[in-house]
Amino acid sequence: AQKITQTQPGMFVQEKEAVTLDCTYDTSDPSYGLFWYKQPSSGEMIFLIYQGSYDQQNATEGRYSLNFQKARKSANLVISASQLGDSAMYFCAVVTGKLIFGQGTTLQVKP
Amino acid sequence: ETGVTQSPTHLIKTRGQQVTLRCSSQSGHNTVSWYQQALGQGPQFIFQYYREEENGRGNFPPRFSGLQFPNYSSELNVNALELDDSALYLCASSSYLAGPRTDTQYFGPGTRLTVL
Repeated sequence: AQKITQTQPGMFVQEKEAVTLDCTYDTSDPSYGLFWYKQPSSGEMIFLIYQGSYDQQNATEGRYSLNFQKARKSANLVISASQLGDSAMYFCAVVTGKLIFGQGTTLQVKP
Repeated sequence: ETGVTQSPTHLIKTRGQQVTLRCSSQSGHNTVSWYQQALGQGPQFIFQYYREEENGRGNFPPRFSGLQFPNYSSELNVNALELDDSALYLCASSSYLAGPRTDTQYFGPGTRLTVL
């Protein structure tokens, strides 16, 4: 069975600083995908970034980058130059056909 | 390009009633997945539909059922509602041809169901 663990229930970061959100995963499938989603208070899940298990390079999408350490089974999200609009719940998920989500991390960006 | 839409936005039902939630997939997508998200929790996979057939199911009882139509839109039906069914129901669409381990799922805004 697949499992995602996000150990940080809540995080604070100062505006314009970088922040790392932790995610570890457990899957027995050799081929899988890892995703990060953002969920503002409105409820919609917004796709941020994807990393394939066989990708050699860490994924990047604008201010988002994924620190993928396959041997450690970790896929941490790094948000650079935080903005007030980044305040939201962030979910890590693994896919092997269906998405398995972690419990989420609430990020608050302080002005 | 039209994104994923869901209706209704909010719904209030009483215990024992039945409910139908609707989802229109994003243009070009042929797969729809449904998730239940209780307050303060991560979404839980209910089931997925591909080519009008159920293509995987999570740990939900049979009173949770679904349909996918030829235009790839989908319905989630829940019978005999229980108080614990109160949650945000999220629909996500994707393109299965991209591969089950790579297809990005794009979510709709969700339907918030309250069962009294």
